[in-house]
Amino acid sequence: EDQVTQSPEALRLQEGESSSLNCSYTVSGLRGLFWYRQDPGKGPEFLFTLYSAGEEKEKERLKATLTKKESFLHITAPKPEDSATYLCAVQDNSGYSTLTFGKGTMLLVSP
Amino acid sequence: DGGITQSPKYLFRKEGQNVTLSCEQNLNHDAMYWYRQDPGQGLRLIYYSQIVNDFQKGDIAEGYSVSREKKESFPLTVTSAQKNPTAFYLCASTPPRRGNQPQHFGDGTRLSIL
Repeated sequence: EDQVTQSPEALRLQEGESSSLNCSYTVSGLRGLFWYRQDPGKGPEFLFTLYSAGEEKEKERLKATLTKKESFLHITAPKPEDSATYLCAVQDNSGYSTLTFGKGTMLLVSP
Repeated sequence: DGGITQSPKYLFRKEGQNVTLSCEQNLNHDAMYWYRQDPGQGLRLIYYSQIVNDFQKGDIAEGYSVSREKKESFPLTVTSAQKNPTAFYLCASTPPRRGNQPQHFGDGTRLSIL
């Protein structure tokens, strides 16, 4: 059974204070790891897909990295508008596979 | 603009009542999904459908039913058998079979008990 654990559950940062969110996963074989951003009362918004260990992707102040056991979402010099819940999900490579989501990390960036 | 439309945004259910949540997409996506999200919890899969007239149970299908009569539409019925229906319900879709494509989400329906 696929498992995803995200840490910390919540993170408060000052504007400009860089940090990282962690997503640890267990899958029989990884087809893809997905990062989403979710604002309160909204659906998740897709950020990145990572497919293999060593891969990195960037978008504005966000950078996602992947190892064989975990993924990190690095946030560089965050702004208040980066405040949201960040969700991680994995898809294994067994036939038609659905996503397994973690519980998310709630990020609050104060001005 | 292409996207996924969920309606209504808020829904209230009375005791013993069935309610239906709507999900429509104009992205020409084949697969569609329904998730339930509870506070502090991850998304849990209720049902999914890969093609019209076919669907599969997810991890928490009990007390729910779906239909897929059209490619664009995947309504979810929360039946009276679902004893704890209060949650945020999310619909998603993915493009035609190309492996590991990300799911695109609607903006959800919040269901509460009266």
